[in-house]
Amino acid sequence: DQQVKQNSPSLSVQEGRISILNCDYTNSMFDYFLWYKKYPAEGPTFLISISSIKDKNEDGRFTVFLNKSAKHLSLHIVPSQPGDSAVYFCAASAATSGTYKYIFGTGTRLKVLA
Amino acid sequence: DAGVTQSPTHLIKTRGQHVTLRCSPISGHKSVSWYQQVLGQGPQFIFQYYEKEERGRGNFPDRFSARQFPNYSSELNVNALLLGDSALYLCASRRDPLAETQYFGPGTRLLVL
Repeated sequence: DQQVKQNSPSLSVQEGRISILNCDYTNSMFDYFLWYKKYPAEGPTFLISISSIKDKNEDGRFTVFLNKSAKHLSLHIVPSQPGDSAVYFCAASAATSGTYKYIFGTGTRLKVLA
Repeated sequence: DAGVTQSPTHLIKTRGQHVTLRCSPISGHKSVSWYQQVLGQGPQFIFQYYEKEERGRGNFPDRFSARQFPNYSSELNVNALLLGDSALYLCASRRDPLAETQYFGPGTRLLVL
């Protein structure tokens, strides 16, 4: 039972254009969402997060949107750069027994074409 | 400040052997979590430790165990290795269990032959 889904395994975008990565979840108890970027042979790097009380959070070129009614979040990267080419994971968490537990999606491989 | 560190970076074992993986959290972080990532999947939660106590356990067999030391570093132990244990093992740290953001180390890539 996959509670966090990234239905697009890969995405290609031209440099300078917008990249939109999508993530769907099923558990309405999730109250905090994160995006991580992962390069080969490295651990995931934290990018941006959003609390369920918000519907948007921005950090430079990265914006995360949360649509709670649709149980959907998306990561927008504008403008996309070749260095953004990586695998992106969304993660959802809920406070359970005094801790946050994270469920990760399967990842979307973004390729930004120069 | 140093990030999360893990050792070794790579490891090759044979079926039935035992392995110990090590993790040092970011300075000031007291909670450590372990994840397994197999190819094509996202990280799967194995354990969380805080103040040397287990605070969470994922759906992994008893062959997997972990512990946390007084300096907040942690070890993940896997006994009776199976081919299916081949994966990237990630350690993540955060200030405390209710800190919303965790930070990952580079991982240990384990290959079981």
